[in-house]
Amino acid sequence: GEDVEQSLFLSVREGDSSVINCTYTDSSSTYLYWYKQEPGAGLQLLTYIFSNMDMKQDQRLTVLLNKKDKHLSLRIADTQTGDSAIYFCAERYGGSQGNLIFGKGTKLSVKP
Amino acid sequence: TAGITQAPTSQILAAGRSMTLRCTQDMRHNAMYWYRQDLGLGLRLIHYSNTAGTTGKGEVPDGYSVSRANTDDFPLTLASAVPSQTSVYFCASSDPRGDRGPLPQHFGDGTRLSIL
Repeated sequence: GEDVEQSLFLSVREGDSSVINCTYTDSSSTYLYWYKQEPGAGLQLLTYIFSNMDMKQDQRLTVLLNKKDKHLSLRIADTQTGDSAIYFCAERYGGSQGNLIFGKGTKLSVKP
Repeated sequence: TAGITQAPTSQILAAGRSMTLRCTQDMRHNAMYWYRQDLGLGLRLIHYSNTAGTTGKGEVPDGYSVSRANTDDFPLTLASAVPSQTSVYFCASSDPRGDRGPLPQHFGDGTRLSIL
């Protein structure tokens, strides 16, 4: 079945860039998403990308999509301690009523 | 802006007891979802509802039931709780309109449930 894979941990220094990677299996995915979860809270949508796009930039966030390799990445420029959280990659499958499949999440730790 | 409200925030429950987790949204979204989040397993879909009056099974439906009597409410019931159902439960909603748009899911803050 469909699957979304992410590395579990990433540690960076404050001010550096963070790159969180994700691979997915469903080639018919129409949208891919990045969510952020802070401790004790629910998931918050950060950004999304449509499958016919290669890149999307939103302030400090850059999403890159390589559809051929089914690889999605989230780059956070000038990472701050407030960016410390768990980041989930998700893909939408099943057409118009499609549910989301989430990766297991990458825990980003930002060291001062 | 309320969005999605889940109750209770946390609960300790004896094994064998029943419990209903409540979820209410005020966005008039058609679709609603229940997930459980476990360490090392990420988010797994339990049940979903594409519109009021319909429900569907997700990846891990066993031991759980849902109902969708109206647009706003989507309660999740554990009929006879077992320790393996100890988890953090998240309710989410989205507003599918055909195949247009990104249809992001909006999440509640979760219910932390411990079964002893």
